[in-house]
Amino acid sequence: SQTIHQWPATLVQPVGSPLSLECTVEGTSNPNLYWYRQAAGRGLQLLFYSVGIGQISSEVPQNLSASRPQDRQFILSSKKLLLSDSGFYLCAWSDRVPGDNSPLHFGNGTRLTVT
Amino acid sequence: GNSVTQMEGPVTLSEEAFLTINCTYTATGYPSLFWYVQYPGEGLQLLLKATKADDKGSNKGFEATYRKETTSFHLEKGSVQVSDSAVYFCALSDTGTASKLTFGTGTRLQVTL
Repeated sequence: SQTIHQWPATLVQPVGSPLSLECTVEGTSNPNLYWYRQAAGRGLQLLFYSVGIGQISSEVPQNLSASRPQDRQFILSSKKLLLSDSGFYLCAWSDRVPGDNSPLHFGNGTRLTVT
Repeated sequence: GNSVTQMEGPVTLSEEAFLTINCTYTATGYPSLFWYVQYPGEGLQLLLKATKADDKGSNKGFEATYRKETTSFHLEKGSVQVSDSAVYFCALSDTGTASKLTFGTGTRLQVTL
């Protein structure tokens, strides 16, 4: 069966420090991968998605970047965190199928607090 | 662009009460519709989905029918339990390269004894 691992579960970082959140998927090949952010009191916002190694699409301009160095690994990074980067970050994957309305499968999330 | 509008919460119900969480959408084309549930401290889990008009998605006693004429996908359950307390998200997905979901803002459900 497929599983998705996301770590760390919680993180407290000072303003201006770097960030690296990692997500890996097991039990599937060539998945689509996604990073979402859920800010306090708000819905989910798609930050990045990837349809293959090295292929990253950004949905919103921001202080963050994403990379996909391996087929089932997706990394969210920042060189210098801002207070506004605080939130709950969710990694997700979906099967890559024609028409592609396959559902997303989410990790348990990382709660990031920038102080 | 695509958008999803959910009723604002929180919704507080007694155990065994009937639940309705309203969801309406705006989209081009023929989206698929989803309900996701988020339990405290966890990520989102797919609850149910419908891929075309008049489809009914169902799971764990929850149901939602894809109504194209009213652009709605309301979530219902006949008898809620305390364990149903969570945040519920309505979402849509357009056909495309990736399943990029547009989410509603979520509705918090609190079920009490």
